[in-house]
Amino acid sequence: DTGVSQNPRHKITKRGQNVTFRCDPISEHNRLYWYRQTLGQGPEFLTYFQNEAQLEKSRLLSDRFSAERPKGSFSTLEIQRTEQGDSAMYLCASSLLAGGNEQFFGPGTRLTVL
Amino acid sequence: GENVEQHPSTLSVQEGDSAVIKCTYSDSASNYFPWYKQELGKRPQLIIDIRSNVGEKKDQRIAVTLNKTAKHFSLHITETQPEDSAVYFCAAFRAGNMLTFGGGTRLMVKP
Repeated sequence: DTGVSQNPRHKITKRGQNVTFRCDPISEHNRLYWYRQTLGQGPEFLTYFQNEAQLEKSRLLSDRFSAERPKGSFSTLEIQRTEQGDSAMYLCASSLLAGGNEQFFGPGTRLTVL
Repeated sequence: GENVEQHPSTLSVQEGDSAVIKCTYSDSASNYFPWYKQELGKRPQLIIDIRSNVGEKKDQRIAVTLNKTAKHFSLHITETQPEDSAVYFCAAFRAGNMLTFGGGTRLMVKP
């Protein structure tokens, strides 16, 4: 499968625990995006990377959230001290060029915080 | 920042009829407008997109129109089929920025 992959697909955790998600973009895509989607809503931008550089972060990304893309390939999104309001689908997307080229989405990681 | 409004939120049509979904955006610097289809429990998938230097684009039963002056764009699906039933999202993108999505339209095609 040469598409964007995400792991795990589902994560159930207790409030206060830390969780980490992984995204593997399409090979050679230099831009990688993280979005959050709640039921019945469109995806909301969280952050993006161009290669290993994190170029923009949404104000939605509180200090409990951190993302990395250390080698410019896969990326991780960590949520510390999870809250029930963090329950959502976390989507990753990648694109080949800057300037609005097509973003390909992964299947998402569904997080449930109990 | 960019704000994208999408209407209607739900749309029910009879199989074979046309469906139209409309979006407006606020940032005149946005220059790329994709449309995504998302089936229940699945990832958003791009179905068509348009750039700001084009007014209309068509791909088989799907077409998108863009009015830069009015800052609105629309998705047109002709000869709808039950498999077109899904949630559709419009989005706007400005170079150096991120995709801003509309709130989605749940399309139901009744056989």
